[in-house]
Amino acid sequence: QSALTQPASVSGSPGQSITISCTGTSSDVGRYNYVSWYQQHPGKVPKLMIYDVSNRPSGVSNRFTGSKSGNTASLTISGLQAEDEADYYCCSYTGSTTYVLFGGGTKLTVL
Amino acid sequence: EVLLVQSGPEVRKPGESLRISCKGFGDSFTSHWIAWVRQMPGKGLEWMGNIYPGDSESRYRPSLQGQVTISVDKSIYTAYLQWSSLKASDTAIYYCARQGSNWGILDSWGQGTLVTVSS
Repeated sequence: QSALTQPASVSGSPGQSITISCTGTSSDVGRYNYVSWYQQHPGKVPKLMIYDVSNRPSGVSNRFTGSKSGNTASLTISGLQAEDEADYYCCSYTGSTTYVLFGGGTKLTVL
Repeated sequence: EVLLVQSGPEVRKPGESLRISCKGFGDSFTSHWIAWVRQMPGKGLEWMGNIYPGDSESRYRPSLQGQVTISVDKSIYTAYLQWSSLKASDTAIYYCARQGSNWGILDSWGQGTLVTVSS
């Protein structure tokens, strides 16, 4: 199985909202509500931001929301802040022998 | 919550062997799957495989089966990732991470181990 498909880059101005898409197939994103999102700043460790499509771990800002429709999951960041500039990766359980797939990553630039 | 602490950076030549480690601190280490995630230079994240410390059951990404070995010593709360013959293409940062209530969740991460393979 190939990686999940994400846009290579998105950008937005402070205060705006942006959405990052993550497209899989009916065997992964479309079949299971086991989609998560990770934020990675340059040179840093990935951080879990959303799990099970739309749940936020304790301590993650409510500016981050997740959703899913069919084979596509989405991460929306509202009220963009400079500190949100990072790479974002989606991830899904697949139920096949590939087990877990990541997206290729999306670089968010805050203008 | 579990704290995962990985071994330090390594430099090896092609063909050499290597084992890197991931030590868990906290009482949940043996009751959750521990995954290994690769990040090649300038690239994205790739799930390599995982292991359940309770019984050492492991799974591998099909393309990596036979290329690496994942093991665990639950008596010292430590998971390992091992190569018998490194290639230059194994150069990457390797993270261990705890998988949560389902395998789509990686909720605690080690700090990463940089492995450089160069002649």
